[in-house]
Amino acid sequence: AQSVAQPEDQVNVAEGNPLTVKCTYSVSGNPYLFWYVQYPNRGLQFLLKYITGDNLVKGSYGFEAEFNKSQTSFHLKKPSALVSDSALYFCAVRDLALGSGGGADGLTFGKGTHLIIQP
Amino acid sequence: GAGVSQTPSNKVTEKGKYVELRCDPISGHTALYWYRQSLGQGPEFLIYFQGTGAADDSGLPNDRFFAVRPEGSVSTLKIQRTERGDSAVYLCASSPGWSPNTGELFFGEGSRLTVL
Repeated sequence: AQSVAQPEDQVNVAEGNPLTVKCTYSVSGNPYLFWYVQYPNRGLQFLLKYITGDNLVKGSYGFEAEFNKSQTSFHLKKPSALVSDSALYFCAVRDLALGSGGGADGLTFGKGTHLIIQP
Repeated sequence: GAGVSQTPSNKVTEKGKYVELRCDPISGHTALYWYRQSLGQGPEFLIYFQGTGAADDSGLPNDRFFAVRPEGSVSTLKIQRTERGDSAVYLCASSPGWSPNTGELFFGEGSRLTVL
């Protein structure tokens, strides 16, 4: 079974400082990994994904994430936080080794991390 | 509009009643997903359609839940004999199709269901 852990319920960062939102995953095969963001009263929005290739993936709004296979992690990062980055962030995974069915066609999401950027 | 549209945005019902939630995906997207998000949790997979057929319904919690997509576009999630535990935000997402080059889901704003 595939699973995702986001160990922090909330991350507080001062505006202008770098931010990291942590994510670890568990799959039996190779993973597809995703980050989504949810702003208040808005639907989930795709930020970035890792499928294959470079371990450092760049996405929307200046965010990036680093895939680390040995640590089974996919932490979200941004060099300089903005107040407007404050939102709920979800990490998600799909196991490439799984065929269709059994829930494998959907993404497995973490519980989410509230990111709060303080002015 | 250009995005995924879900109606109603809010639904309050009484225990035991029947509820339908509608999803209108992005035009041309063949893949459609339903997820359920309970308070303080991440989205939980319910069902996946590729075209008109339910390719994977293993996430539906029990036989009170059913979803259809008769013409390969709009989908309806149907919940019979609602229970208080069904209260959640029901999310719909669509994508051009599941392949290694996609994987990006486009979500609607959700339908918040409250069962009293």
